[in-house]
Amino acid sequence: DAGVIQSPRHEVTEMGQEVTLRCKPISGHDYLFWYRQTMMRGLELLIYFNNNVPIDDSGMPEDRFSAKMPNASFSTLKIQPSEPRDSAVYFCASSPRGASGEGNEQFFGPGTRLTVL
Amino acid sequence: GQSLEQPSEVTAVEGAIVQINCTYQTSGFYGLSWYQQHDGGAPTFLSYNALDGLEETGRFSSFLSRSDSYGYLLLQELQMKDSASYFCAVRSSWGKLQFGAGTQVVVTP
Repeated sequence: DAGVIQSPRHEVTEMGQEVTLRCKPISGHDYLFWYRQTMMRGLELLIYFNNNVPIDDSGMPEDRFSAKMPNASFSTLKIQPSEPRDSAVYFCASSPRGASGEGNEQFFGPGTRLTVL
Repeated sequence: GQSLEQPSEVTAVEGAIVQINCTYQTSGFYGLSWYQQHDGGAPTFLSYNALDGLEETGRFSSFLSRSDSYGYLLLQELQMKDSASYFCAVRSSWGKLQFGAGTQVVVTP
């Protein structure tokens, strides 16, 4: 398997522009997670899906952020409008359903490094 | 509140043993995971403890004490390639992980 795929790998944009990050999870994984990593705040969970349904979006910073998972093989994280404080590395991760019904190991994609000028 | 505490940095020489402690306070607890992240890379899974005790995987071992809300990651026979950040993460609900701030391990020759 190719692992979790994210695109783009790098994105530089200007404040006020819309940014869309994309993720393809590992085939067969039931869970999909979006994280943001910065030096100041560390690795933060933004939102996660189970079987394409958003389960917990309490980590989404504000209404400028939205995430969708239209099918089992694709998810997007959108920021509109973007601000300089959104600059970070955004990771997508997926996890299988474990034997006991739990997802333990999360497999991370390579991340998207976002810079908002 | 919810918190995970781990040291910010540890330095050791090749061949040494390093122990990274993690204490946690969370509203829910299913288990404790450890992840490794090299500079510029993505976090990768190392171990998961749901029950008390020691789990060994090669040179790395992880320990959990649920009653003490405490765990540690033990890195043995340190190699230069082990220089990385190590994160403890609590599985606080179904499928959800809460990560600590990370411990940077620096291995010197």
